[in-house]
Amino acid sequence: NAGVTQTPKFRVLKTGQSMTLLCAQDMNHEYMYWYRQDPGMGLRLIHYSVGEGTTAKGEVPDGYNVSRLKKQNFLLGLESAAPSQTSVYFCASSRDFSYEQYFGPGTRLTVT
Amino acid sequence: DQQVKQNSPSLSVQEGRISILNCDYTNSMFDYFLWYKKYPAEGPTFLISISSIKDKNEDGRFTVFLNKSAKHLSLHIVPSQPGDSAVYFCAASGDNNDMRFGAGTRLTVKP
Repeated sequence: NAGVTQTPKFRVLKTGQSMTLLCAQDMNHEYMYWYRQDPGMGLRLIHYSVGEGTTAKGEVPDGYNVSRLKKQNFLLGLESAAPSQTSVYFCASSRDFSYEQYFGPGTRLTVT
Repeated sequence: DQQVKQNSPSLSVQEGRISILNCDYTNSMFDYFLWYKKYPAEGPTFLISISSIKDKNEDGRFTVFLNKSAKHLSLHIVPSQPGDSAVYFCAASGDNNDMRFGAGTRLTVKP
């Protein structure tokens, strides 16, 4: 089992460009999440999904969109990247919201 | 507003001794608490959790204590090993699907 995988691992964008981060899990989990990690702030929840076709806002959703067209995939989109979105992005999945989450290795995004 | 706080950015202990990592929260609606460990260039991995109906949960060398009245939890690692050197995050969640993480504590275990 690969667990949770994220694509790409690194990316550099110019301000205003768009991109999509892909997360895939092979554990048949219903719940999937996108977090960002910034120095001194821990992980902050951007959006999450409680099942295929559903999405919901987390703590810091502005500037991001998500889609969950297939149960195993959760996509995070940035329509117009800003320097404030420079961060490390983690995807995670779990069988229920409060239960242990399995994290991917992260994507380091730099917006110049 | 940081609803989950880890006030110690770093902690250094000697191998074989006890490591105590602390976490405070402000939201009384939180009812489930978790600890994650993170190595550099990897995603966090789950370590141990505790429900608000308990005050202690133990798993091998790791024990989590919860003091609901003080809104405080702690992670004890006994004995500490060099491989435990990592960043530890506490997390809290409640009924409204609100998951909050602390900023993390970097633990260094010296041989």
